[in-house]
Amino acid sequence: AQKVTQAQTEISVVEKEDVTLDCVYETRDTTYYLFWYKQPPSGELVFLIRRNSFDEQNEISGRYSWNFQKSTSSFNFTITASQVVDSAVYFCALSEAYSGGGADGLTFGKGTHLIIQP
Amino acid sequence: DAGVTQSPTHLIKTRGQQVTLRCSPKSGHDTVSWYQQALGQGPQFIFQYYEEEERQRGNFPDRFSGHQFPNYSSELNVNALLLGDSALYLCASSLGVASSYNSPLHFGNGTRLTVT
Repeated sequence: AQKVTQAQTEISVVEKEDVTLDCVYETRDTTYYLFWYKQPPSGELVFLIRRNSFDEQNEISGRYSWNFQKSTSSFNFTITASQVVDSAVYFCALSEAYSGGGADGLTFGKGTHLIIQP
Repeated sequence: DAGVTQSPTHLIKTRGQQVTLRCSPKSGHDTVSWYQQALGQGPQFIFQYYEEEERQRGNFPDRFSGHQFPNYSSELNVNALLLGDSALYLCASSLGVASSYNSPLHFGNGTRLTVT
């Protein structure tokens, strides 16, 4: 069975600090997909990134960067020079590919509540 | 470009009652998935609809059922409500059946269901 663990329940940092959100996953499949979503207080989940299991290249998008390491089954998310607007709950998610070649429903971690203090 | 819309925003029901939640997908999307998010938890996959059929289902009892209409909108029905069904119900839309990867999910703001 697939599982996503976000061990950090809550992180609080001062604005402009860098912060890393950890994500560890478990899956028996060799083909799978990893995601990060942001959930502001409004409740809507906002898609940030997806990565498939064959692409271990790290990615940078502005102040956001992601470090995918299959050897440790981790997909960590770093925010550089954090801002108050980054405050939200962040979810890591996993999707396995079923035999039909598609992708299953997402399995989410419990989320990390990130608080950026001014 | 309208995103995913859900109605109602909030709902209060009594144990044993039945409830129907509604979702209109983002323009251009044809696949709808439903998730349940309990307080302080991550969303849990309920099921996915494509071409008016349930394509995939998570670990939820038969009390949870759904429907997709020809215009791609969808309903989630929950019968015999339990206190434990209190949660935020999120609808997500995407394009195509292999949608988790090919087309990222776009989520609505959810319906907050409280069962008393």
